[in-house]
Amino acid sequence: DAGVTQSPTHLIKTRGQHVTLRCSPISGHKSVSWYQQVLGQGPQFIFQYYEKEERGRGNFPDRFSARQFPNYSSELNVNALLLGDSALYLCASSLAGKNTEAFFGQGTRLTVV
Amino acid sequence: GESVGLHLPTLSVQEGDNSIINCAYSNSASDYFIWYKQESGKGPQFIIDIRSNMDKRQGQRVTVLLNKTVKHLSLQIAATQPGDSAVYFCAENPDTGRRALTFGSGTRLQVQP
Repeated sequence: DAGVTQSPTHLIKTRGQHVTLRCSPISGHKSVSWYQQVLGQGPQFIFQYYEKEERGRGNFPDRFSARQFPNYSSELNVNALLLGDSALYLCASSLAGKNTEAFFGQGTRLTVV
Repeated sequence: GESVGLHLPTLSVQEGDNSIINCAYSNSASDYFIWYKQESGKGPQFIIDIRSNMDKRQGQRVTVLLNKTVKHLSLQIAATQPGDSAVYFCAENPDTGRRALTFGSGTRLQVQP
C-alpha cells in the first residue's frame, strides 16, 4: 500500500517567488495536515484540512495557504518567499481529524536563495 | 502555553540495552500523544500513540508511559538496535479545536555497537 506521497522532493526557489507543494494522503484517509520543520527543530503546524474544509490553522502569515481537493489530495502554497521559509515541509494524513494516528510523508525540502 | 519539551537532547546507549526517552508537556488539556522516529532526510515515522485515559501502552519492543499527574511521557525501547538510532519526537494534541499536533524539539538517540 502506498503511504503519504509528496512532490517534489526537493525545490530551490528565489526570494519573492511562489511555490506549490503537493500531497497525496493514504488511500481512505480524509484528513491532511501540513507542517514546517526547520533544521534542528520539531515540526510546526501550518494547516489541517478534513473533508475539504480547513479545520485548523497555525501561526503562519497569510502568505501561506492550502486547499484540499475532492480526492483528498492537498496543495500548500507559499507566496512572496523569504529566506526564512527554507525548511522541510511535511504532509500528514489521518482517517479523521483529531486523536487518530497521523502518518507523515517524506517531505519536500524547500530552499529559498 | 502549549509546549512539549524534552529533558535530554542526546541519549547514547549500548546496543542491546534498554533506552528511555522522556518528554514533559505543559498543556493539561492534551488528550492524545504520539511518539515519532525521524531518520536523517526522512519524514517522521509513527511509533506508538496513547490516549489520556490510559497510563501505559505496549507495542513491538516499545512501551509508552503517561503520567498525567506530572504531565510526563516516556518512550521505552527494549534491546536497542543500531537501526533505532534517530531523532525521537513526542507530540501532543491539545484540545484547542485546532486539531494540530504540537511537537517538541526532539531527542537524538545514538546506539553504540
